Amino acid sequence: DVKVTQSSRYLVKRTGEKVFLECVQDMDHENMFWYRQDPGLGLRLIYFSYDVKMKEKGDIPEGYSVSREKKERFSLILESASTNQTSMYLCASSLGGQGIDTQYFGPGTRLTVL
Amino acid sequence: LAKTTQPISMDSYEGQEVNITCSHNNIATNDYITWYQQFPSQGPRFIIQGYKTKVTNEVASLFIPADRKSSTLSLPRVSLSDTAVYYCLVVRQTGANNLFFGTGTRLTVIP
Repeated sequence: DVKVTQSSRYLVKRTGEKVFLECVQDMDHENMFWYRQDPGLGLRLIYFSYDVKMKEKGDIPEGYSVSREKKERFSLILESASTNQTSMYLCASSLGGQGIDTQYFGPGTRLTVL
Repeated sequence: LAKTTQPISMDSYEGQEVNITCSHNNIATNDYITWYQQFPSQGPRFIIQGYKTKVTNEVASLFIPADRKSSTLSLPRVSLSDTAVYYCLVVRQTGANNLFFGTGTRLTVIP
C-alpha cells in the first residue's frame, strides 16, 4: 500500500513564525501536492510538483512556498504565518504521467496560527 | 477543467442503497469522472473512476450516461461506517493532475 506521511497531526504556531510542513511518500511517485481544506470551501490546491526541484502554483499559492529536494519529500513553507492560514493541510502523491492517476493522501496536519 | 455540482448533504438508513448524483455540464472529451471519500480527520481516499457507461468495484458502482454531463455514485447497502464526505471530480486524462475538489456531499448513515 502507498503510504503518505505528514510530520505532524497538530501544530500551533504564532503569527510571524516560519512554519515547515513535511510530507514523505514511499512509493516512488512522481507527483506530489499540497492542499488546504477549510469548512465550506472544500480542498484547494496550493502547490504541486511533478519532479524533483520542479514546482507549479495551484489555486492559492500566496503566502506559501514549497521545496522538493528529494523525490520522496515535499515541504510546504509558510514564510511568515498569519491567522488566516489556520487550516487543515493535506499532502498527496500520485504515480505521475497521467492526469487520471489516483492521488494518495496523508492524514493531514491541523495548523493553528495564534 | 469542468466544475462539478453535487448535493451538500444526504441522509440514509443502514442497509439502503445510496445514490449520489453529480453534474458536470462542461466535461471535455478526454476528461474522466472520479470519486473520493473522506472520513473525519483523514485525507480523501479514491473510490472509483470511469469514462462512460458503468464501472463497478468492491466498494461502489459508477453510472455515466451517454452525454456524460452527469454521473451517479451508487453505494449498495450502506453501513454506519460509510458516513463520510464524498467528492465528485473531473480529471483530465493526461498532463498534470490538478484536482479540483468542491465541497462534496456529506452522507450520514442512520442506524
